[in-house]
Amino acid sequence: AQSVTQLGSHVSVSEGALVLLRCNYSSSVPPYLFWYVQYPNQGLQLLLKYTSAATLVKGINGFEAEFKKSETSFHLTKPSAHMSDAAEYFCAVRSSGSARQLTFGSGTQLTVLP
Amino acid sequence: EADIYQTPRYLVIGTGKKITLECSQTMGHDKMYWYQQDPGMELHLIHYSYGVNSTEKGDLSSESTVSRIRTEHFPLTLESARPSHTSQYLCASSTSGTLTDTQYFGPGTRLTVL
Repeated sequence: AQSVTQLGSHVSVSEGALVLLRCNYSSSVPPYLFWYVQYPNQGLQLLLKYTSAATLVKGINGFEAEFKKSETSFHLTKPSAHMSDAAEYFCAVRSSGSARQLTFGSGTQLTVLP
Repeated sequence: EADIYQTPRYLVIGTGKKITLECSQTMGHDKMYWYQQDPGMELHLIHYSYGVNSTEKGDLSSESTVSRIRTEHFPLTLESARPSHTSQYLCASSTSGTLTDTQYFGPGTRLTVL
């Protein structure tokens, strides 16, 4: 079985501050991990994905995430928040036991304050 | 940018009506998916297809049905809508269905059943 937990359903940061969105996973086999972003009234867009090639993954819009097996984590970070980063962010996991299925976390709503 | 379309974007309908949510993609993807997303909640897979004439139920039980007669088209039908069907429905597609492939999402249909 696989699952994802996103700590903090709402996160607020000031413009220019560090963004840290937390994601912990549970998987009995090596996981593949994804971060998606959803802007209001739009579908989900892939930010980045971990495919075991490198533990530090760089994505679009200046985001990156680090896979830490010992902590079963895949936290999303961005050094300096921009107003346009305000959106909902979903972490998702897929493991070899269920190749067809992405299991999503419940999402984190990011608010960027001026 | 992904070319996957959903219509209608918003639908308000009375109980007992039959509805069809349309999803089309122009990327030639074999794999297509339907997710259900309630506000502030994670996405749940309700249907998927690995190609023409292939449809499977996802992990979340749904009274809806799907069909895949053409590669580019994956409509979802509710024979008799009920208030419990009120939700957002997201369609997605992917190339290979492997563990690391990217799913591309449409903008979603927000359904309200009165």
